[in-house]
Amino acid sequence: ETGVTQSPTHLIKTRGQQVTLRCSSQSGHNTVSWYQQALGQGPQFIFQYYREEENGRGNFPPRFSGLQFPNYSSELNVNALELDDSALYLCASSSGLAGVSTDTQYFGPGTRLTVL
Amino acid sequence: KQEVTQIPAALSVPEGENLVLNCSFTDSAIYNLQWFRQDPGKGLTSLLLIQSSQREQTSGRLNASLDKSSGRSTLYIAASQPGDSATYLCAVGGATNKLIFGTGTLLAVQP
Repeated sequence: ETGVTQSPTHLIKTRGQQVTLRCSSQSGHNTVSWYQQALGQGPQFIFQYYREEENGRGNFPPRFSGLQFPNYSSELNVNALELDDSALYLCASSSGLAGVSTDTQYFGPGTRLTVL
Repeated sequence: KQEVTQIPAALSVPEGENLVLNCSFTDSAIYNLQWFRQDPGKGLTSLLLIQSSQREQTSGRLNASLDKSSGRSTLYIAASQPGDSATYLCAVGGATNKLIFGTGTLLAVQP
């Protein structure tokens, strides 16, 4: 059984550019959540996908968007990058019914995004 | 709006000491509470998950308790080791399974 993987590990972009981050969920998991963790802070929920549909969104602007694919892998896209988008982006996978999941969430190693 | 607070923000203890990390939350309507460990620059490792109907969970030297009515959880680490040095995060899960995190406790165990 493979764990949650994310790519790339590190990324450097300039302000105004667009970025795509990728996440492969743990085998058997149908739910993927994305979090943003600024330095010295706890992770903040961006959004969650369940069976290819968005299933909840945190307080992030529309330039943060996502996709989930039939194999339950996921992408996070960020347009018009701003300096404050510099952070560690984490994805987590879990199983269970949408909206009522009591299972452990398993996190990937994260993608470190730096915006210059 | 759910808010999660962790105290202390940082803790330094000598090796072998037993210690307690605290987590409090403002809204008791939670589905579960999860404790994580995070090494510098790395992702999160799940340590323990406590469902809302449970009072505690144990794994090896770790024991986590949950008191929903008072909005508190503690993580007890027995016989601490230098390898336990990391940031410990607690997170509460609501109906949508969105996790709300505290800012963490940075633990340093001195050999």
